[in-house]
Amino acid sequence: EVQLVGSGGGLVQPGGSLRLSCVASGFTFSGYSMHWVRQAPGKGLVWVSRIDNGGSGTSYADSVRGRFTVSRDNAQNTLYLQMNSLRVEDTAVYYCAREWDLLNFWGQGTQVTVSS
Amino acid sequence: DIVMTQSPDFLAVSLGERATINCKSSQNVLNSSKNKNSLAWYQQRPGQSPKLLIYWASTRESGVPDRFSGSGSGTDFTLTISSLQAEDVAFYYCQQYFTTPLTFGGGNKVEIK
Repeated sequence: EVQLVGSGGGLVQPGGSLRLSCVASGFTFSGYSMHWVRQAPGKGLVWVSRIDNGGSGTSYADSVRGRFTVSRDNAQNTLYLQMNSLRVEDTAVYYCAREWDLLNFWGQGTQVTVSS
Repeated sequence: DIVMTQSPDFLAVSLGERATINCKSSQNVLNSSKNKNSLAWYQQRPGQSPKLLIYWASTRESGVPDRFSGSGSGTDFTLTISSLQAEDVAFYYCQQYFTTPLTFGGGNKVEIK
């Protein structure tokens, strides 16, 4: 059974940092590019970042470029999102998702709240 | 960036009736090498993560009931639920994967009338 289990969210003050993790199981993690997508409270889905299957190619939304860093550890089947200089507008549920051209499987999401 | 626009924002349909959701992209999303439109539809039930329903504009994901169908090409696409069931109450999002950044429509809320 394919699973993506996210963790690492929480409450942080503006300007703070968090690192999200997403542990994959049930498929060959190293064979897939992976994405992060976020959803602010009561809002729609917004793409955040992508990393290729080897970890060498990354891309970011303009709103997070320079503050967020995506990485992966294929030996540990884990995807990461390092989030620095967090802003109130980064408050959202963050989903990791597997790419197969499109996003064909999503994790359960982890809540990030940025507030003073 | 490709802008995805969905309509209507909200749709109330009686059980067993047809629901139709529209999605328009600001640019053509036809993948010429595959001759397929890079357009997906996702369902998000309350409190759950999104689930893939349709890809390449009209290909149903494995396990998705056949009452869900997708159509369209170029810049105009449609998701149809042929006979609405109670479990179909959800938000529905279209998404283009033609180019990065991936972009989603604003979502349509489907409820029972």
